[in-house]
Amino acid sequence: GDSVTQMEGPVTLSEEAFLTINCTYTATGYPSLFWYVQYPGEGLQLLLKATKADDKGSNKGFEATYRKETTSFHLEKGSVQVSDSAVYFCALSANQAGTALIFGKGTTLSVSS
Amino acid sequence: EPEVTQTPSHQVTQMGQEVILRCVPISNHLYFYWYRQILGQKVEFLVSFYNNEISEKSEIFDDQFSVERPDGSNFTLKIRSTKLEDSAMYFCASTKDANTEAFFGQGTRLTVV
Repeated sequence: GDSVTQMEGPVTLSEEAFLTINCTYTATGYPSLFWYVQYPGEGLQLLLKATKADDKGSNKGFEATYRKETTSFHLEKGSVQVSDSAVYFCALSANQAGTALIFGKGTTLSVSS
Repeated sequence: EPEVTQTPSHQVTQMGQEVILRCVPISNHLYFYWYRQILGQKVEFLVSFYNNEISEKSEIFDDQFSVERPDGSNFTLKIRSTKLEDSAMYFCASTKDANTEAFFGQGTRLTVV
């Protein structure tokens, strides 16, 4: 079945460091890909998405490119801030009506000043 | 900004008891979902609901679970005869259409003792 694998955390960085969180997927067909973020004490929020190959999703300085050839959707940010500390989830949706999201395990990011 | 609300935020229940987790999806959304996250594990899909019936469910969603939309606003998850392993964070989500952004509630932390 469809699945998402993302790098294990926690990831600990200093402010202004470069961030990469790896995500790869297995899916039949052409899924949509998502990154969700969960700040402490809050629910999941959509960070960015891409719906087809070579699309780049971006938001709040974060970027991820849908790479069909490597089945990847790695999350990057050039300069992290303390406020980026959160849990990041990679997810896919199989693009059928009402189909649920399939999530990775989540990666905890901790940024120190 | 419209949001998905869940109550209660934390529920403690005795093993074998029934619990009802409540969600108010965004008012013009048509698809509703329940997910759960056992501590330290990935977010798992339980069930999706559309047009007053279940549209998809996972293997986790067995006869112990049921969902209901008792009125025009609430969406509930009932867990009968709770077990210790039902302890998890339960998230409700809604989408306006198939494959549009899923909005998540803040979650209900269920602890079965």
